[in-house]
Amino acid sequence: NAGVTQTPKFRVLKTGQSMTLLCAQDMNHEYMYWYRQDPGMGLRLIHYSVGEGTTAKGEVPDGYNVSRLKKQNFLLGLESAAPSQTSVYFCASSYSGVEQYFGPGTRLTVT
Amino acid sequence: QQQVKQSPQSLIVQKGGISIINCAYENTAFDYFPWYQQFPGKGPALLIAIRPDVSEKKEGRFTISFNKSAKQFSLHIMDSQPGDSATYFCAASHNDYKLSFGAGTTVTVRA
Repeated sequence: NAGVTQTPKFRVLKTGQSMTLLCAQDMNHEYMYWYRQDPGMGLRLIHYSVGEGTTAKGEVPDGYNVSRLKKQNFLLGLESAAPSQTSVYFCASSYSGVEQYFGPGTRLTVT
Repeated sequence: QQQVKQSPQSLIVQKGGISIINCAYENTAFDYFPWYQQFPGKGPALLIAIRPDVSEKKEGRFTISFNKSAKQFSLHIMDSQPGDSATYFCAASHNDYKLSFGAGTTVTVRA
């Protein structure tokens, strides 16, 4: 039982490049989330999903897209990376939407 | 703007001392108040949570105090240990599966 896993762990992008972050969970959770963590700002919700095939915007969705084609996976895409997207990205999942289980994070640097 | 305001940003406490972290909110619809603990290089993990029908909840050395009229809640770490050194986030939610996080408090426990 791996819990929540994230791929990759680290990535460096040049401005304008695109990439996809993968989140996978093996707990059969309905709810999945993508957050970004920046110093002094806590965790801010980017997008979330309440079930397979659904997605919704969070607090800071601009510049990101998501997809949830399978219940266990939640993908976060950056179509044209900007330096302001340098951050640590966390995925989380939850059975009921209350207690959230977080992955280990992806550290992204955009130069 | 952040819906949950957390203070202090950081604190240092001697081993055996008490750590106190405070959070305040404005949205009276919030009905779930968790605290998450994050160690360096790891994702946050749920530590303890409270609902507004009780004023205090204790789990081991960790206690949440909740003041509904003041719209404030706090985390007390009793008999602080070096292993408690971490970043602590308060959060709040109101039935829509989304957590609003505070900015975080870095706690350092000196031996």
